[in-house]
Amino acid sequence: AQSVAQPEDQVNVAEGNPLTVKCTYSVSGNPYLFWYVQYPNRGLQFLLKYITGDNLVKGSYGFEAEFNKSQTSFHLKKPSALVSDSALYFCAVSPPENAGNMLTFGGGTRLMVKP
Amino acid sequence: DTAVSQTPKYLVTQMGNDKSIKCEQNLGHDTMYWYKQDSKKFLKIMFSYNNKELIINETVPNRFSPKSPDKAHLNLHINSLELGDSAVYFCASREGDLSTGELFFGEGSRLTVL
Repeated sequence: AQSVAQPEDQVNVAEGNPLTVKCTYSVSGNPYLFWYVQYPNRGLQFLLKYITGDNLVKGSYGFEAEFNKSQTSFHLKKPSALVSDSALYFCAVSPPENAGNMLTFGGGTRLMVKP
Repeated sequence: DTAVSQTPKYLVTQMGNDKSIKCEQNLGHDTMYWYKQDSKKFLKIMFSYNNKELIINETVPNRFSPKSPDKAHLNLHINSLELGDSAVYFCASREGDLSTGELFFGEGSRLTVL
């Protein structure tokens, strides 16, 4: 069974500073990894994904994530944070085999960007 | 045009009642899901349905039953509601039946059981 861990409940960063939201995973085989963002009282929105190829993937709103197989990590990054980036961020893993295609989410990390 | 829509957005009901939440997607996707988000924002998969096969998460009580009249709809019916069922329920869809595609989520249905 696959699992995802987001070790930080909350990340605080000042506007303009770089941000990192951490994610580690456990899955048999090659993982498919995703990041989603949830704004208050809204559904989740897709940010980016890693399927194969280049370990650095770029996504929406200037976010990027780096797949590190040896460390089983997929940290989300942005060079310069905006106040509008404040939201709840979820890392997720999907099994490479067709096991109902159920995406497993981490517990979420609340990002607070202060002016 | 809302891609994945859920109704109702808010639902307040008494313990023991039966209620349904409806979900429709206009994306032409083959696979739909129900997720439960608890008060701590933890997201848990409940069901996956890909137009041919319903995959049930074994930890979901059988009071919860998904019903799919066609591939654009996946409704969630809950019998004998309990206090612990209070949560936000999210419907989602995905193109095809591959694990590589991203999910499209509805806005959520907040269920409060009194």
